[in-house]
Amino acid sequence: DAGVTQSPTHLIKTRGQHVTLRCSPISGHKSVSWYQQVLGQGPQFIFQYYEKEERGRGNFPDRFSARQFPNYSSELNVNALLLGDSALYLCASSLQGAQGYTFGSGTRLTVV
Amino acid sequence: GQSLEQPSEVTAVEGAIVQINCTYQTSGFYGLSWYQQHDGGAPTFLSYNALDGLEETGRFSSFLSRSDSYGYLLLQELQMKDSASYFCAESNDYKLSFGAGTTVTVRA
Repeated sequence: DAGVTQSPTHLIKTRGQHVTLRCSPISGHKSVSWYQQVLGQGPQFIFQYYEKEERGRGNFPDRFSARQFPNYSSELNVNALLLGDSALYLCASSLQGAQGYTFGSGTRLTVV
Repeated sequence: GQSLEQPSEVTAVEGAIVQINCTYQTSGFYGLSWYQQHDGGAPTFLSYNALDGLEETGRFSSFLSRSDSYGYLLLQELQMKDSASYFCAESNDYKLSFGAGTTVTVRA
């Protein structure tokens, strides 16, 4: 069975650019969450989507946005990239949202 | 900021037992989860406590005391492959809030 898949695995962008990260959940999982993990810290919650609706949003600026598609895959968009956005971006899926999260291996974003 | 406190590092030898403590301060708390993460990898679910008491899964056990806002992860019969970061995370309805993580180093 395929786990949570994320693309790309690595990405280098310049300040001010825009980036789109993609996530495919485990088959049958309707909930997708996004987390940002800065080196040496725990993951920080960005968004959760369930059945294509946003259920929660973390303390991130409006430059961060996301959406979930009818097949439950998801995109995370970040506009006007800053150096501080350099991090590992993790996607997690679950059946309903509260428990049993399975994480993908993440996208390593470097902003230069 | 993160409202969960856990030690930053623990070092132990193969075969030893390690306990990682986690204290939390929050409202709307559903339960406490534990995740393992190897360098650059995906966090992997280890254990979840919704109720007070001990949950045992093989060599790993987790404990929760809601009255003390405290939990711990117990790693027994340590193996080299257990060298990783371990995170406690509190759950609410739609998100996990993680601690900063504990780096466990297992020495031969």
